[in-house]
Amino acid sequence: QKEVEQDPGPLSVPEGAIVSLNCTYSNSAFQYFMWYRQYSRKGPELLMYTYSSGNKEDGRFTAQVDKSSKYISLFIRDSQPSDSATYLCAMRNNFGNEKLTFGTGTRLTIIP
Amino acid sequence: DAGITQSPRHKVTETGTPVTLRCHQTENHRYMYWYRQDPGHGLRLIHYSYGVKDTDKGEVSDGYSVSRSKTEDFLLTLESATSSQTSVYFCAIRQGENEQFFGPGTRLTVL
Repeated sequence: QKEVEQDPGPLSVPEGAIVSLNCTYSNSAFQYFMWYRQYSRKGPELLMYTYSSGNKEDGRFTAQVDKSSKYISLFIRDSQPSDSATYLCAMRNNFGNEKLTFGTGTRLTIIP
Repeated sequence: DAGITQSPRHKVTETGTPVTLRCHQTENHRYMYWYRQDPGHGLRLIHYSYGVKDTDKGEVSDGYSVSRSKTEDFLLTLESATSSQTSVYFCAIRQGENEQFFGPGTRLTVL
């Protein structure tokens, strides 16, 4: 079983909809949580970074972390065709370990 | 883009040949990383560096070596390329405590 599980999709939603992307994890030592967006044939781009539990909002994006359930989410409001990409979750622990553990990514398409 | 460039951007090589990929950064970041990205596996850490001549292994380091003789350059070498090393390779730098920023990637095909 992988440490981080992410539904690969594909996920297609109409423009303007609210998108919910999720990851579950098994390692309770994870403390830092990130979401990356990756366009086709490009490098991952850091969208959101949160520490421990709670919510963080940045424009149309909201990241949520529920450590008790080992579950993280990324919400995209008022989705746009330009949001069409693969979204990767990533996380790491707090023990000086440089390793980021990534999910396999969810492919999202916003339909105009 | 955190000032990261990778070269070459694409390469096709044959099994058994040596290959070196280069990552170059312009912002004097201490930490640099090499990842590979494969379908079904996501991004996996190969090696990383925490300073000039200071490197350590990641989770998939077998068959790879790295060198960092200057702050700005981090080289990844496949001593004898195999077909299983066909992948997209990304370099990253760390900014702050945890935020990693990625380069544009190198698409490597080993025939």
